[in-house]
Parts: sequence; C-alpha cells; structure tokens
Amino acid sequence: GENVEQHPSTLSVQEGDSAVIKCTYSDSASNYFPWYKQELGKRPQLIIDIRSNVGEKKDQRIAVTLNKTAKHFSLHITETQPEDSAVYFCAAIRSGAGSYQLTFGKGTKLSVIP
Amino acid sequence: NAGVTQTPKFQVLKTGQSMTLQCAQDMNHEYMSWYRQDPGMGLRLIHYSVGAGITDQGEVPNGYNVSRSTTEDFPLRLLSAAPSQTSVYFCASSYRTPSQASYEQYFGPGTRLTVT
Repeated sequence: GENVEQHPSTLSVQEGDSAVIKCTYSDSASNYFPWYKQELGKRPQLIIDIRSNVGEKKDQRIAVTLNKTAKHFSLHITETQPEDSAVYFCAAIRSGAGSYQLTFGKGTKLSVIP
Repeated sequence: NAGVTQTPKFQVLKTGQSMTLQCAQDMNHEYMSWYRQDPGMGLRLIHYSVGAGITDQGEVPNGYNVSRSTTEDFPLRLLSAAPSQTSVYFCASSYRTPSQASYEQYFGPGTRLTVT
C-alpha cells in the first residue's frame, strides 16, 4: 500500500518568515495530494490540494509543489502569522474505479513565534 | 447543512465492552471514511465506503466493523474494546468532482474514546 513520509515533525519559525514542509510518497499511481490544517482540539480542514498533472499551485500565502518523478510534494507558507500555528498533514490518494484510499503523513507541528 | 456529525463526543469504555460510533452527513457525498488519530501517528484509515452497500478495509481495520446501508450514515462498531483503541476517531465524507480532480475530505468533530 501507499506510504507517506512527512518532515519535519516539528517546525518553529519567526513571524514573517517562511515555512516549508515536505512529504514523499511511495505509490506512483497516487494522483491527488491534499494538505490539511488542524488547530488544537479541532477537526482537520483542507487548505490546498494538487493533482498529479500539475506542478505547482498557489493560494495567497500558501503554495504546494509536486515532483512526480521524485515522488515528493511540499507545502510552502510565506509571511507566517501566529494563526498559522497548527498541525499540518499531507496526504496522498490513489483513486480509481471502486477504489478510494487516503493515506496521511504523521503531521508537522508548526509554531509561529511572534 | 449540518455537514458531518458524530456522536458521542466523548466515551469511556471498559475493556471488552462493545459500542457503536455514529456518523452522518447531509451533503449526499458518496465517499465516507473512518480515521483514528493517535499522537505522533497522524490520521490512519480504518474503513471506508465508496457508496451505499460498499465498504472496504483501510490501514488499521482489526477490531472494527462498518456498514453502509444508506448514503447518509456510516457507523463504526467496536466489537470488544481494548486499551489500544483509545484514540480520537474522525469520520469524514467526500465527493468526486465531475472532472474527477478533487476529493476534499469533510471531517466530523471527532469522538474521543478512552478504554480502561
């Protein structure tokens, strides 16, 4: 089955700096890669996603890049703010007829220091 | 829309007891899943369903059963609770966009289960 590795497990940055979280996946058939943000005590929520036929996607201060050849994808947060402090999860989906399996990374706890 | 709802929010069980965690969604989503979240382990897929009457195992299915008799409901049954099943359980629903390009998961609020 799919295996998703996520690094680092914890990340501290100064407010205004950039943060980068990296994930690798094992199944070359995976075709959809979402990122979720989970604030303390709350449910995970989708913040950005990317399909396997796209190399980069941006949404304001957040961007995701995908390298299919190397089987890795990354989350980039620029101009970090205290409200960006949360646990971030990457995931990979291999979808097809009658199949739908979502595998998450173990998460990165991001702390933005004011 | 209420989105994805889960009951109960908290539960304490004794080893060997059985119980059902309830999950319902009112968005007519075809996909539903159950995850457990343990510290340092991320979210692990227990069981999932691609439609009413269809279920399949995920990464950690042992000790759990599911059924999907309707589009809306996807209960998770613990057959004989064990301390290793102490966790936070999230139910999620999802749909496939017409372009088959997105599978956004909508998570419920979670159930915190403790097995003593």
